[in-house]
Amino acid sequence: QLQLQESGPGLVKPSETLSLTCTVSGGSISGSNHYWGWIRQPPGKGLEWIANIYYSGSTAYNPSLKSRATISVDTSKNQFSLNLRSVTAADTAIFYCARVDLSGVGQYPIWLDPWGQGTLVTVSS
Amino acid sequence: QSALTQPRSVSGSPGQSVTISCTGTSSDVGSYDFVSWYQQHPVKAPKLMIFDVNKRPSGVPDRFSGSKSGNTASLTISGLQAEDEADYYCCSYAGSYTLVFGGGTKLTVL
Repeated sequence: QLQLQESGPGLVKPSETLSLTCTVSGGSISGSNHYWGWIRQPPGKGLEWIANIYYSGSTAYNPSLKSRATISVDTSKNQFSLNLRSVTAADTAIFYCARVDLSGVGQYPIWLDPWGQGTLVTVSS
Repeated sequence: QSALTQPRSVSGSPGQSVTISCTGTSSDVGSYDFVSWYQQHPVKAPKLMIFDVNKRPSGVPDRFSGSKSGNTASLTISGLQAEDEADYYCCSYAGSYTLVFGGGTKLTVL
Protein backbone atom coordinates (compact mmCIF):
# COMPACT_ATOMS: atom_id res chain seq x y z
CA GLN A 1 0.00 0.00 0.00
CA LEU A 2 1.51 3.29 -1.11
CA GLN A 3 2.13 5.80 1.68
CA LEU A 4 3.51 9.34 1.64
CA GLN A 5 5.01 11.19 4.59
CA GLU A 6 5.94 14.85 4.74
CA SER A 7 8.84 16.07 6.84
CA GLY A 8 10.57 19.35 7.53
CA PRO A 9 10.83 22.23 9.99
CA GLY A 10 7.60 23.31 11.61
CA LEU A 11 8.80 26.89 12.03
CA VAL A 12 10.46 29.11 9.44
CA LYS A 13 11.48 32.75 9.79
CA PRO A 14 10.12 35.41 7.42
CA SER A 15 12.24 35.95 4.30
CA GLU A 16 13.88 32.53 4.67
CA THR A 17 13.35 29.38 2.59
CA LEU A 18 10.82 26.70 3.54
CA SER A 19 12.10 23.21 2.72
CA LEU A 20 9.96 20.08 2.86
CA THR A 21 10.52 16.47 1.82
CA CYS A 22 7.98 13.79 0.98
CA THR A 23 9.10 10.20 1.48
CA VAL A 24 7.26 7.56 -0.54
CA SER A 25 6.97 4.01 0.78
CA GLY A 26 5.26 0.94 -0.61
CA GLY A 27 6.13 1.83 -4.18
CA SER A 28 8.83 3.36 -6.35
CA ILE A 29 8.73 6.92 -7.63
CA SER A 30 10.80 6.02 -10.69
CA GLY A 31 8.84 2.85 -11.43
CA SER A 32 5.55 4.65 -11.44
CA ASN A 33 3.86 6.49 -14.30
CA HIS A 34 2.62 9.28 -12.05
CA TYR A 35 3.36 12.84 -11.15
CA TRP A 36 4.13 13.71 -7.53
CA GLY A 37 2.72 16.89 -6.10
CA TRP A 38 2.59 19.44 -3.30
CA ILE A 39 -0.58 21.13 -2.06
CA ARG A 40 -1.02 23.59 0.82
CA GLN A 41 -3.89 24.68 3.04
CA PRO A 42 -3.67 27.82 5.20
CA PRO A 43 -5.36 27.36 8.58
CA GLY A 44 -9.12 27.47 8.16
CA LYS A 45 -8.87 27.98 4.40
CA GLY A 46 -9.02 25.97 1.21
CA LEU A 47 -6.60 23.83 -0.76
CA GLU A 48 -4.06 25.33 -3.15
CA TRP A 49 -2.08 23.27 -5.64
CA ILE A 50 1.61 24.24 -5.63
CA ALA A 51 3.55 22.03 -8.05
CA ASN A 52 3.98 18.60 -9.66
CA ILE A 53 7.07 16.67 -10.74
CA TYR A 54 7.60 13.53 -12.83
CA TYR A 55 10.37 11.12 -11.91
CA SER A 56 12.30 12.27 -14.95
CA GLY A 57 12.36 15.81 -13.54
CA SER A 58 9.61 17.37 -15.65
CA THR A 59 7.81 19.99 -13.55
CA ALA A 60 4.73 22.21 -13.46
CA TYR A 61 3.97 25.08 -11.08
CA ASN A 62 1.06 27.17 -9.91
CA PRO A 63 1.65 30.46 -11.76
CA SER A 64 1.12 32.44 -8.54
CA LEU A 65 3.96 30.59 -6.80
CA LYS A 66 6.26 29.79 -9.72
CA SER A 67 8.73 32.59 -8.95
CA ARG A 68 9.35 31.32 -5.40
CA ALA A 69 8.83 27.54 -5.58
CA THR A 70 11.14 24.74 -6.67
CA ILE A 71 10.12 21.08 -6.71
CA SER A 72 12.73 18.35 -7.10
CA VAL A 73 12.96 14.57 -6.99
CA ASP A 74 15.55 12.15 -5.62
CA THR A 75 14.72 8.73 -7.02
CA SER A 76 17.60 7.08 -5.12
CA LYS A 77 15.91 8.02 -1.84
CA ASN A 78 12.36 7.65 -3.19
CA GLN A 79 11.68 11.23 -2.15
CA PHE A 80 10.59 14.49 -3.67
CA SER A 81 10.99 17.93 -2.15
CA LEU A 82 9.68 21.48 -2.15
CA ASN A 83 11.55 24.70 -1.55
CA LEU A 84 9.59 27.93 -1.13
CA ARG A 85 11.73 31.05 -0.98
CA SER A 86 11.18 34.42 0.67
CA VAL A 87 8.34 33.24 2.87
CA THR A 88 5.97 35.51 4.75
CA ALA A 89 3.25 34.89 7.32
CA ALA A 90 0.86 34.33 4.42
CA ASP A 91 2.74 31.12 3.62
CA THR A 92 1.77 29.58 6.97
CA ALA A 93 -0.12 26.43 6.05
CA ILE A 94 -0.48 22.68 6.27
CA PHE A 95 1.55 21.27 3.40
CA TYR A 96 0.48 17.98 1.83
CA CYS A 97 2.26 15.78 -0.67
CA ALA A 98 0.33 13.44 -2.95
CA ARG A 99 0.65 11.09 -5.89
CA VAL A 100 -0.89 12.54 -9.03
CA ASP A 101 -2.50 10.30 -11.61
CA LEU A 102 -2.09 10.94 -15.33
CA SER A 103 -4.60 10.97 -18.14
CA GLY A 104 -4.21 8.40 -20.89
CA VAL A 105 -3.98 10.87 -23.75
CA GLY A 106 -1.68 13.81 -23.18
CA GLN A 107 -0.37 12.49 -19.85
CA TYR A 108 -1.99 15.40 -17.99
CA PRO A 109 -2.04 15.45 -14.17
CA ILE A 110 -5.65 14.81 -13.28
CA TRP A 111 -6.28 13.61 -9.73
CA LEU A 112 -4.47 13.17 -6.43
CA ASP A 113 -4.42 9.96 -4.43
CA PRO A 114 -3.12 9.03 -1.94
CA TRP A 115 -2.19 12.01 0.19
CA GLY A 116 0.26 12.33 3.03
CA GLN A 117 -1.06 13.26 6.45
CA GLY A 118 0.22 16.83 6.08
CA THR A 119 2.68 18.93 8.04
CA LEU A 120 2.04 22.36 9.53
CA VAL A 121 4.61 25.01 8.71
CA THR A 122 4.39 28.30 10.57
CA VAL A 123 6.21 31.38 9.31
CA SER A 124 7.11 33.57 12.25
CA SER A 125 10.08 35.32 13.77
CA GLN B 1 -5.44 30.83 -12.89
CA SER B 2 -8.39 31.55 -10.55
CA ALA B 3 -9.86 29.17 -8.01
CA LEU B 4 -12.97 27.32 -9.05
CA THR B 5 -16.16 28.66 -7.45
CA GLN B 6 -18.03 26.55 -4.91
CA PRO B 7 -20.80 27.50 -2.48
CA ARG B 8 -19.40 28.16 0.97
CA SER B 9 -21.88 25.83 2.62
CA VAL B 10 -24.72 23.41 1.96
CA SER B 11 -26.85 21.39 4.33
CA GLY B 12 -29.32 18.55 4.35
CA SER B 13 -31.07 16.15 6.66
CA PRO B 14 -30.17 12.48 6.96
CA GLY B 15 -31.53 10.52 4.03
CA GLN B 16 -31.86 13.56 1.79
CA SER B 17 -29.73 14.45 -1.23
CA VAL B 18 -27.47 17.46 -1.64
CA THR B 19 -25.60 18.79 -4.64
CA ILE B 20 -22.43 20.87 -4.53
CA SER B 21 -21.57 22.91 -7.60
CA CYS B 22 -18.12 23.80 -8.90
CA THR B 23 -17.94 26.51 -11.53
CA GLY B 24 -14.86 27.13 -13.58
CA THR B 25 -14.15 28.49 -17.04
CA SER B 26 -13.66 27.29 -20.58
CA SER B 27 -9.94 27.00 -19.72
CA ASP B 28 -10.43 24.35 -17.06
CA VAL B 29 -13.71 22.62 -16.19
CA GLY B 30 -15.25 23.45 -19.54
CA SER B 31 -12.37 22.09 -21.60
CA TYR B 32 -11.49 18.83 -19.87
CA ASP B 33 -13.32 15.89 -18.35
CA PHE B 34 -10.74 15.82 -15.57
CA VAL B 35 -12.68 17.02 -12.54
CA SER B 36 -12.07 15.34 -9.19
CA TRP B 37 -13.70 15.76 -5.78
CA TYR B 38 -12.16 15.42 -2.32
CA GLN B 39 -13.71 14.97 1.11
CA GLN B 40 -11.90 16.42 4.10
CA HIS B 41 -12.89 15.79 7.68
CA PRO B 42 -11.46 18.09 10.38
CA VAL B 43 -7.72 17.71 10.92
CA LYS B 44 -7.57 14.97 8.29
CA ALA B 45 -5.98 14.83 4.86
CA PRO B 46 -8.29 15.10 1.86
CA LYS B 47 -9.68 11.87 0.43
CA LEU B 48 -10.43 11.29 -3.25
CA MET B 49 -14.15 10.67 -3.77
CA ILE B 50 -14.68 11.20 -7.53
CA PHE B 51 -12.28 11.38 -10.48
CA ASP B 52 -12.71 11.97 -14.21
CA VAL B 53 -15.98 13.82 -13.49
CA ASN B 54 -18.04 10.78 -12.51
CA LYS B 55 -15.87 7.80 -11.58
CA ARG B 56 -15.67 6.46 -8.02
CA PRO B 57 -12.50 4.94 -6.54
CA SER B 58 -12.85 1.55 -4.97
CA GLY B 59 -14.41 1.83 -1.52
CA VAL B 60 -16.35 5.06 -2.10
CA PRO B 61 -20.09 4.47 -1.63
CA ASP B 62 -22.29 4.78 -4.70
CA ARG B 63 -24.23 7.46 -2.82
CA PHE B 64 -21.56 9.80 -4.19
CA SER B 65 -21.87 10.74 -7.85
CA GLY B 66 -20.43 13.40 -10.13
CA SER B 67 -21.49 15.15 -13.29
CA LYS B 68 -20.57 18.08 -15.50
CA SER B 69 -22.35 20.50 -17.78
CA GLY B 70 -20.41 23.19 -19.57
CA ASN B 71 -18.16 25.03 -17.14
CA THR B 72 -19.88 23.63 -14.03
CA ALA B 73 -19.25 20.31 -12.34
CA SER B 74 -21.40 18.91 -9.57
CA LEU B 75 -21.09 16.43 -6.73
CA THR B 76 -24.30 14.83 -5.52
CA ILE B 77 -24.55 12.93 -2.26
CA SER B 78 -27.73 10.92 -1.87
CA GLY B 79 -29.02 9.25 1.26
CA LEU B 80 -27.08 11.67 3.46
CA GLN B 81 -25.44 10.17 6.52
CA ALA B 82 -23.94 11.85 9.55
CA GLU B 83 -20.43 10.82 8.51
CA ASP B 84 -20.79 12.74 5.24
CA GLU B 85 -20.47 16.00 7.20
CA ALA B 86 -17.15 17.38 5.99
CA ASP B 87 -15.57 19.91 3.65
CA TYR B 88 -15.64 19.08 -0.06
CA TYR B 89 -13.26 20.41 -2.70
CA CYS B 90 -13.39 20.14 -6.45
CA CYS B 91 -10.28 20.14 -8.59
CA SER B 92 -9.79 20.44 -12.33
CA TYR B 93 -7.00 20.14 -14.84
CA ALA B 94 -6.36 23.69 -16.01
CA GLY B 95 -4.06 23.25 -18.97
CA SER B 96 -0.25 23.46 -19.17
CA TYR B 97 0.01 20.53 -16.76
CA THR B 98 -1.48 22.59 -13.91
CA LEU B 99 -4.31 21.92 -11.48
CA VAL B 100 -6.77 24.28 -9.81
CA PHE B 101 -8.93 23.69 -6.72
CA GLY B 102 -12.26 25.11 -5.72
CA GLY B 103 -12.60 27.17 -2.57
CA GLY B 104 -14.32 24.37 -0.70
CA THR B 105 -17.86 23.71 0.56
CA LYS B 106 -18.81 22.86 4.11
CA LEU B 107 -21.52 20.21 4.22
CA THR B 108 -23.65 20.16 7.35
CA VAL B 109 -25.90 17.18 8.08
CA LEU B 110 -28.77 18.59 10.11
